[in-house]
Amino acid sequence: DTEVTQTPKHLVMGMTNKKSLKCEQHMGHRAMYWYKQKAKKPPELMFVYSYEKLSINESVPSRFSPECPNSSLLNLHLHALQPEDSALYLCASSQEQGSQPQHFGDGTRLSIL
Amino acid sequence: KQEVTQIPAALSVPEGENLVLNCSFTDSAIYNLQWFRQDPGKGLTSLLLIQSSQREQTSGRLNASLDKSSGRSTLYIAASQPGDSATYLCAHDRGSTLGRLYFGRGTQLTVWP
Repeated sequence: DTEVTQTPKHLVMGMTNKKSLKCEQHMGHRAMYWYKQKAKKPPELMFVYSYEKLSINESVPSRFSPECPNSSLLNLHLHALQPEDSALYLCASSQEQGSQPQHFGDGTRLSIL
Repeated sequence: KQEVTQIPAALSVPEGENLVLNCSFTDSAIYNLQWFRQDPGKGLTSLLLIQSSQREQTSGRLNASLDKSSGRSTLYIAASQPGDSATYLCAHDRGSTLGRLYFGRGTQLTVWP
């Protein structure tokens, strides 16, 4: 069983919808990450939070809005997505930003109609 | 741009074979090197982490080595089993507090009975 829990596992949404992805960890980690992974490609870093503050934004379009309400939770708010945003969205956490290994959740498979 | 290359891209072998998966990188500032396993539609599971002062790590039937001078890492899988079928990704970081991982595209392994 993964120690990083992501919900939902699957999400289908239209381009005008607003939805959120959720990630939770109870390992006491202070760094949390969002990655995007397209089929047959490696994960691409999107955002990093350290001690609940946004540390890295890899020039991600504003239709993706991250939020870290507390040290255990990480959200990714989605609005007006495009079909090319369909992908597996992975959340990860680590003891501190920069420490390894990162622990990954099973991801949310997102499909944009 | 840091490049991580994994060879072969795909591998299909009968059960019981000993395997070697290869990872090479252009970055001269490798710090930690990790090997991950990814099952279809799932997240990443960290298999082995070779930390900056180490050259090798072993876990069960898995052994990973790192040669920073040649820019190569290998993952050795002994006595392969059908349950080993998955995609194996290598990734490194540069030891900074940013925590960014540089991933290869993975080797898709199929072990048939």
